[in-house]
Parts: sequence; C-alpha cells; structure tokens
Amino acid sequence: QQQVKQSPQSLIVQKGGISIINCAYENTAFDYFPWYQQFPGKGPALLIAIRPDVSEKKEGRFTISFNKSAKQFSLHIMDSQPGDSATYFCAARESGNTGKLIFGQGTTLQVKP
Amino acid sequence: GAGVSQSPRYKVAKRGQDVALRCDPISGHVSLFWYQQALGQGPEFLTYFQNEAQLDKSGLPSDRFFAERPEGSVSTLKIQRTQQEDSAVYLCASSQFGQVNQPQHFGDGTRLSIL
Repeated sequence: QQQVKQSPQSLIVQKGGISIINCAYENTAFDYFPWYQQFPGKGPALLIAIRPDVSEKKEGRFTISFNKSAKQFSLHIMDSQPGDSATYFCAARESGNTGKLIFGQGTTLQVKP
Repeated sequence: GAGVSQSPRYKVAKRGQDVALRCDPISGHVSLFWYQQALGQGPEFLTYFQNEAQLDKSGLPSDRFFAERPEGSVSTLKIQRTQQEDSAVYLCASSQFGQVNQPQHFGDGTRLSIL
C-alpha cells in the first residue's frame, strides 16, 4: 500500500525555469513533510520541510506548498540550475514515537543549460 | 566526521552468505533508522532504535534480517543467508529526539550486491 505518491517520475527543465514536483498522501497521521535531494552514490540530504499547520514555506529558491484538505504538497524550484539536477523525494513522517519516514518514489530532475 | 558514516560502502556477497553492515550515527543522536533503497525507488523503512532499544522493526522483510545497537551508538544490520532480492542500498539515518521537526540525517549507504 503506497501511502505517498509522487509525480512526475522524471522532469526536464531549462536553466532558469521553474521545476514543480507533486506529492499526495493517504494517511492523515502524518505530522511533518520533508523533501530530500539525492545525488548518485550519495545519501538523501534534507532540502526543506513543512508542518501541516503551514500552507507555504520558502527557503531561497525552494518553496513547499501544502494543501491539507487535499492531502497534497508540492516542491517548487525557482530559477532552476544545472547543479539542481538530482533525484528528489518527498516524504511524510508518521506521528508517534518512531517518526519513521514514508517516501515517495522519487523524481529525477534534469536541468538543461 | 560530523555526518553519519556507513561501512563498507560496497559489499558483494554470494547467495547464502551472511553480511554485516555498520552505521556510525552523528554523536549524541538518540534516534537511529535503517532504510532499504532498491534501484530507482525511494527508501523504505526497516527498523528504528531509540538509544539501545529497538522500538520498531516492522519493516524488516524477514527473520533473516537482524539489527542491533547494543550501546546506543553504533548500529549493525545483519542479513543472514542472503538472497538476490536483498540487493539494494542500505541507508542509515540518525536524528535528535524530542521534537517533531528534528530532521533525519542520512549516510551515503552501503550498496549490497548478492551474486
């Protein structure tokens, strides 16, 4: 049972453009929604995160938009750069003592110069 | 170093062999997680430790998988009688404990290949 669904699977954007990645979740018992960036051969690195009581969070070129009623959230990368080319994962943290993360399937972003 | 350290980075084993993967979390981090990442997929939760206590092992795929953290610091994931389907990247993450938004910091993983 896939609790976090991510789209698109891959994305090609021109340098300077906006990259948009979407996620939807099925379980309401999530209390924290991070986005991770992963380069080949490396572990996921936290990019930005949001709590469900906030509708938007911006950090530099990265913005999360969160729609609690629709159970959807998205990552916007403004002024995309070739160095942003990587795989992006959305995730949702289960409420409770463990705090395990449920990840989406990932989006491979390619930013063309 | 300041980050999560995993060893070995690569491990090749023949089917049926036992393997042990090591994780050194960030110093002082109470929480430690193991995830399995298949090729082209997102990480999937295996198990969670709070100090030395294994509080959740619901993601371990079979009784061939065993994890421990005896002194509440270094953790070892052991896989017995390895199978080809065990081939994946095994990621370790650690975090502080207490607040919801404590981020999980990941190591670079161990890439396990079963021949």
